[in-house]
Amino acid sequence: DQQVKQNSPSLSVQEGRISILNCDYTNSMFDYFLWYKKYPAEGPTFLISISSIKDKNEDGRFTVFLNKSAKHLSLHIVPSQPGDSAVYFCAAKTRSGSARQLTFGSGTQLTVLP
Amino acid sequence: KAGVTQTPRYLIKTRGQQVTLSCSPISGHRSVSWYQQTPGQGLQFLFEYFSETQRNKGNFPGRFSGRQFSNSRSEMNVSTLELGDSALYLCASSLISTAGGAYEQYFGPGTRLTVT
Repeated sequence: DQQVKQNSPSLSVQEGRISILNCDYTNSMFDYFLWYKKYPAEGPTFLISISSIKDKNEDGRFTVFLNKSAKHLSLHIVPSQPGDSAVYFCAAKTRSGSARQLTFGSGTQLTVLP
Repeated sequence: KAGVTQTPRYLIKTRGQQVTLSCSPISGHRSVSWYQQTPGQGLQFLFEYFSETQRNKGNFPGRFSGRQFSNSRSEMNVSTLELGDSALYLCASSLISTAGGAYEQYFGPGTRLTVT
């Protein structure tokens, strides 16, 4: 039973355009969400996060949106650059109960075409 | 500050054997979590150790075990290896326990285990 789902295994975007990566979750107790980026042969690196008390968080070219009623979050990258090509994982956690550890989605491979 | 290191980086084992993987966290970090990454499954949480105690455990069989030493270094052991154990095993460290409230984790490069 996947509590965090990334339904698109891959996404291709032209350089300079917007990349939108989506993530859905089922556990309403999740109160903190993170995005990680992973290059081949490296471990995931933290990208951006958002608390459930907010609906948007921005950091440079990266913006995360949270829609709690829909249990949906998305990562927007504007403008997309070839160096952004990587696997992106969304993750969620709660401060109590059985989901205190980070629960990850299955990842989306983003390819930014020059 | 040095990052999270994992050894070995690559490993080939035969079905039925056992394996031990090692993880050294960022200096000062006391929490180490282990994950298994397989294609299409994302990162599956194995367990977390904090101050030499297991704080949290995922849904993996008892063949998967771990421990943490007083210097926060951690080892993960898999006994009686199965073909399905072939995966990238990642460890991540954080200052405090994720079970206790930490959110961001810093990952090592992983150990690629192949079981033949």
